[in-house]
Amino acid sequence: KQEVTQIPAALSVPEGENLVLNCSFTDSAIYNLQWFRQDPGKGLTSLLLIQSSQREQTSGRLNASLDKSSGRSTLYIAASQPGDSATYLCAVRRNTDKLIFGTGTRLQVFP
Amino acid sequence: NAGVTQTPKFRVLKTGQSMTLLCAQDMNHEYMYWYRQDPGMGLRLIHYSVGEGTTAKGEVPDGYNVSRLKKQNFLLGLESAAPSQTSVYFCASRRQGNSNQPQHFGDGTRLSIL
Repeated sequence: KQEVTQIPAALSVPEGENLVLNCSFTDSAIYNLQWFRQDPGKGLTSLLLIQSSQREQTSGRLNASLDKSSGRSTLYIAASQPGDSATYLCAVRRNTDKLIFGTGTRLQVFP
Repeated sequence: NAGVTQTPKFRVLKTGQSMTLLCAQDMNHEYMYWYRQDPGMGLRLIHYSVGEGTTAKGEVPDGYNVSRLKKQNFLLGLESAAPSQTSVYFCASRRQGNSNQPQHFGDGTRLSIL
């Protein structure tokens, strides 16, 4: 059974720091991996999707990497801002049309 | 530019009552999903649909029913609500075809069962 773990569960950093969020999964036979952002009381917003054949994806200050063999993905946020404060979720997809989600990392960036 | 819209946003029910959650998307997406989100457990798939008139069970389908009579709508029903169904429910949709299409989420329905 595929399990997805995110560490740390919570993170608090000062504005301007570069930070890394971690996601690990137990079964390397994945179709893709997706990073989402969730603001309090809101739904999920897709940030980056990495296909199984890719090693990384970038969007602005965000960079996500994927290492299937080790079952790990990282989300790198450069020059963090208070507006980045949210919960970040990763989810993996296998060969079915189902996403398996991690429990998320709650990020707070303070001025 | 509504995207995925869920109604209602909040609801309180008594045990044994029934209700229907509505999800509507205006992106002409073929695939639609219902998830529940509980503290410490992440999102779990309840049911999903790959097209009008079709539905399939997800990870936690017991106690729920769904219908997809129109392509743009996906309904989630609770026939006899139980306190264990207190949760935040999210609907999502995505385009058919390339399996790397991302899912788009609504803002959720917060449901409390007393």
